[in-house]
Amino acid sequence: EVQLVESGGGLVQPGGSLRLSCAGSGFTFSSYEMNWVRQAPGKGLEWLSYISGTSSTIYYADSVQGRFTISRDNAKNSLYLQMNSLRAEDTAVYYCASMGRMDCWGQGTLVTVSS
Amino acid sequence: DIQMTQSPSSLSASVGDRVTITCRASQDIRNDLAWYQQKPGKAPKRLIDGASSLQSGVPSRFSGSGSGTEFTLTISSLQPEDFATYYCLQHSSYRTFGQGTKVEIK
Repeated sequence: EVQLVESGGGLVQPGGSLRLSCAGSGFTFSSYEMNWVRQAPGKGLEWLSYISGTSSTIYYADSVQGRFTISRDNAKNSLYLQMNSLRAEDTAVYYCASMGRMDCWGQGTLVTVSS
Repeated sequence: DIQMTQSPSSLSASVGDRVTITCRASQDIRNDLAWYQQKPGKAPKRLIDGASSLQSGVPSRFSGSGSGTEFTLTISSLQPEDFATYYCLQHSSYRTFGQGTKVEIK
């Protein structure tokens, strides 16, 4: 079964950092581009970042450029999102997703930025 | 950056109704557009990619059309399980979601 499972969410203070992880299984992880997408409470979907299968191409949304870093370790079938300088408006459910040749999403992990 | 303007933001419809949702891109995205369905508390699910290619397992009452800057998702006969929020996504340059359309029961 093709599956993505996020972890690493939680409560963090404004200005703090958090690292999200996403474990893939049931498919050849290195062959697929991956993304991070978030959804603030009661709001729509916001694309955050993209990474190609070989990590050679990386994109960020303006809202997180310079604060968030996407990376992957194909040997571990894992995707990461390092989030620094967190703000209250970063509070959201964060999804990892392959939205290319294969469409597969994780269940999401909640990040709450609050003092 | 490419902006996606989706309309309407919400609509009320009855079972059996024909429903149309529109997305407009701020610049030409060819047919690099997907449509997603999201139900409360669940991850989104892709219905259509390439503007008009139905994903495997998606009912044929869903269809997509358009190219360039104007795109449409049509549900030909709304079913109870179709009440959800729908998003367009452009993947021509980076990625951008539309604001979403919530389809509610009339």
